[in-house]
Amino acid sequence: DAGVIQSPRHEVTEMGQEVTLRCKPISGHNSLFWYRQTMMRGLELLIYFNNNVPIDDSGMPEDRFSAKMPNASFSTLKIQPSEPRDSAVYFCASSLRLDNEQFFGPGTRLTVL
Amino acid sequence: TQLLEQSPQFLSIQEGENLTVYCNSSSVFSSLQWYRQEPGEGPVLLVTVVTGGEVKKLKRLTFQFGDARKDSSLHITAAQPGDTGLYLCADVAGGSNYKLTFGKGTLLTVNP
Repeated sequence: DAGVIQSPRHEVTEMGQEVTLRCKPISGHNSLFWYRQTMMRGLELLIYFNNNVPIDDSGMPEDRFSAKMPNASFSTLKIQPSEPRDSAVYFCASSLRLDNEQFFGPGTRLTVL
Repeated sequence: TQLLEQSPQFLSIQEGENLTVYCNSSSVFSSLQWYRQEPGEGPVLLVTVVTGGEVKKLKRLTFQFGDARKDSSLHITAAQPGDTGLYLCADVAGGSNYKLTFGKGTLLTVNP
């Protein structure tokens, strides 16, 4: 069975550019979570969706960050404009329901020069 | 704001040794989860503990939840190179809040 799929796996961009990260949750899962992991701050929840609706985006660091879930099988996290301090590994996770086990994707390693 | 502290931050041991890593909270856990994250991968759930004093075993891994539900430990017996990874604890917020709050983890290296 396919797990959570994230693309790209690696992204290198220059400061000021727009970055779009993509996630395909496990089929049938109704909840989707975006996390960011850095050495300094560890793994932090950015935003989560239930049934394609954003429930809590209080972890989104700035207005430069936005996330969408247009349908049950696709979500994007966009950073515009990107800054060097956005460099991190971004994970997407999905779960059957909000209170069920979360399954993480392999992450996207973002480097902003 | 709840703070989760994990110790030690780094641990390097030889194959066959035993080890214990710790997770402490500034406030009571609703429930606690332990994850293992291998290099280049996302975290994978190992166990969820809910009741103070609870002990769960997963093969060579033993998880203990403190009586006051403010601390937890993970003990690995006879560590193997395959146990290498980042061990994370996470608080599972209760009620209608489904956020996971993670500690920064313990990076374990088991040398053959």
